Amino acid sequence: EVQLVESGGGLVKPGGSLRLSCAASGFTFSSYSMNWVRQAPGKGLEWVSSISSSSSYIYYADSVKGRFTISRDNAKNSLYLQMNSLRAEDTAVYYCARSSGLVGAFDIWGQGTMVTVSS
Amino acid sequence: QLVLTQSPSASASLGASVKLTCTLSSGHSSYAIAWHQQQPEKGPRYLMKLNSDGSHSKGDGIPDRFSGSSSGAERYLTISSLQSEDEADYYCQTWGTGRVVFGGGTKLTVL
Repeated sequence: EVQLVESGGGLVKPGGSLRLSCAASGFTFSSYSMNWVRQAPGKGLEWVSSISSSSSYIYYADSVKGRFTISRDNAKNSLYLQMNSLRAEDTAVYYCARSSGLVGAFDIWGQGTMVTVSS
Repeated sequence: QLVLTQSPSASASLGASVKLTCTLSSGHSSYAIAWHQQQPEKGPRYLMKLNSDGSHSKGDGIPDRFSGSSSGAERYLTISSLQSEDEADYYCQTWGTGRVVFGGGTKLTVL
């Protein structure tokens, strides 16, 4: 079964850091670009970051550029999001998603992990 | 600027059909999009990729009741024989060089 499972969410104080992980199974992870998308409570979906299959290309939304770092370990079938200098507005459910091509349709989604930034 | 516009809400009766619209911003009418469904308290689910010529490829297990079509800058998702489980938020997504954009979503109510 093709599956993405996020972990690492939790409660963190403003200015703090958190590292999210996404474990992939059921497909050849190293062949796909991967992405992070977030959804603030009661709001719509917001793209956060994308990474190509070999990590050669990395893109960020302006709202997280300079604070978040996306990475992957193809040997471990895992995707990561290092989040630093967290703000209240980063509070959201964070989803990882698979896409075909360098950037494309997100065809597999995880179930999400909640990040709450609050003092 | 690449922007997707969706109506905030739509409604239709059980067993009827509904057509949701996603509009690409000026200058981007050739872009493909994807449709995603998000049922209450769940993560998004990929429905289909929809090209500018109306051709589309659906995700695994997506019923034939879901179909897509295109006209100019408009991309449509049609759901026929509406069922209660179709009550959900529907998002369109597109992409360009180094960027991904989501529409604001349409909340579909099945009456």
